[in-house]
Amino acid sequence: GAVVSQHPSRVICKSGTSVKIECRSLDFQATTMFWYRQFPKQSLMLMATSNEGSKATYEQGVEKDKFLINHASLTLSTLTVTSAHPEDSSFYICSAPEGLAGSYEQYFGPGTRLTVT
Amino acid sequence: AQSVAQPEDQVKVAEGNPLTVKCTYSVSGNPYLFWYVQYPNRGLQFLLKYITGDNLVKGSYGFEAEFNKSQTSFHLKKPSALVSDSALYFCAVRENQAGTALIFGKGTTLSVSS
Repeated sequence: GAVVSQHPSRVICKSGTSVKIECRSLDFQATTMFWYRQFPKQSLMLMATSNEGSKATYEQGVEKDKFLINHASLTLSTLTVTSAHPEDSSFYICSAPEGLAGSYEQYFGPGTRLTVT
Repeated sequence: AQSVAQPEDQVKVAEGNPLTVKCTYSVSGNPYLFWYVQYPNRGLQFLLKYITGDNLVKGSYGFEAEFNKSQTSFHLKKPSALVSDSALYFCAVRENQAGTALIFGKGTTLSVSS
């Protein structure tokens, strides 16, 4: 199956700083990528849909200015957590669909553990 | 709007016994249904999916799931549980449209005792 990578796998940052997380589709092109957030022992919550060449679509309640998404190419989407605070500490997972429209498979990255101190 | 319900926070079974993890869904149109497993501090692993065809879907590691349209359910099953099956299981659904993301249930923790 297709492979999606994320970098870094773990990051610790100080409160007030910004952190960038990369999501790459390694062997296929993805015009769309999805960003999820998962708190400990909880479900994955869809944060936003990243679209190559256009603005991301954010889910209700997700702050656009805090979680900046840039879909720079057909294989790369980045999520930047700006002015991070301890409550932003979470597991961030990206995914990318691959296949025919409607019947595509959604492949997940391994996740990035963000800890804000 | 799409939604997924996993009514059980935790399922406990003894090794060798059959297991069922429940999932019901709500979606407009025909659903695409998925099961994923997550081990501690790890990403998601795909188990199986239902797109169309036979209602009984067989997946990885001996798991299977049955699509029941009238009950809008997609329960995950395994005839004989292993201790190594202990993990967090997610049911997910999406609509049959390009560009739509998976929506996940809250997850069910499966504990298999030896």
